[in-house]
Amino acid sequence: EAQVTQNPRYLITVTGKKLTVTCSQNMNHEYMSWYRQDPGLGLRQIYYSMNVEVTDKGDVPEGYKVSRKEKRNFPLILESPSPNQTSLYFCASSLGRGPGEETQYFGPGTRLLVL
Amino acid sequence: QKEVEQNSGPLSVPEGAIASLNCTYSDRGSQSFFWYRQYSGKSPELIMFIYSNGDKEDGRFTAQLNKASQYVSLLIRDSQPSDSATYLCAVNTNTNAGKSTFGDGTTLTVKP
Repeated sequence: EAQVTQNPRYLITVTGKKLTVTCSQNMNHEYMSWYRQDPGLGLRQIYYSMNVEVTDKGDVPEGYKVSRKEKRNFPLILESPSPNQTSLYFCASSLGRGPGEETQYFGPGTRLLVL
Repeated sequence: QKEVEQNSGPLSVPEGAIASLNCTYSDRGSQSFFWYRQYSGKSPELIMFIYSNGDKEDGRFTAQLNKASQYVSLLIRDSQPSDSATYLCAVNTNTNAGKSTFGDGTTLTVKP
């Protein structure tokens, strides 16, 4: 089954304790992104990747890191989480940039609470 | 000004009516436009994308794009209670491959 998976789905942590949220897709997609979603707000792009070893900042990159060492994986790293990073996080992937290829497929989401 | 703005909700329509969702964007370099639907507690999923000016129809859904006015809309005909969800407008530019900007979303309720 074609899908985007994220782990963990739920996470409670404390301020300053490094964490990683994994994202993996099995559709051989070129593009992958991380978003956060907060109440009343839409999706805000944190980072995106156009291919292996190619990443760029989205609209809200502060406090986050990413890496793309393999095409299928795109982990999100919070090196020193703070309470304002409490949010719902979505990973997404898309095939490419041509017409019809930009549709994003989203993972199930990771709900993070930073105490 | 936000890069992508959607009409403020919530929007409530009776079953069988037409629901109209609107979105404006500020970047004239925007090339591709998407409508995603998100049920409560779920992930967004694509409804339609549109690239060219004019209308694009898919079943009960019609997307309309007017690049001159920097406006994209989604019409849902014969609205059903199952259409009750948050609708997200997303815009991609041609100049920054991979960057995608979403509006805040409009929550639609279809009342039986």
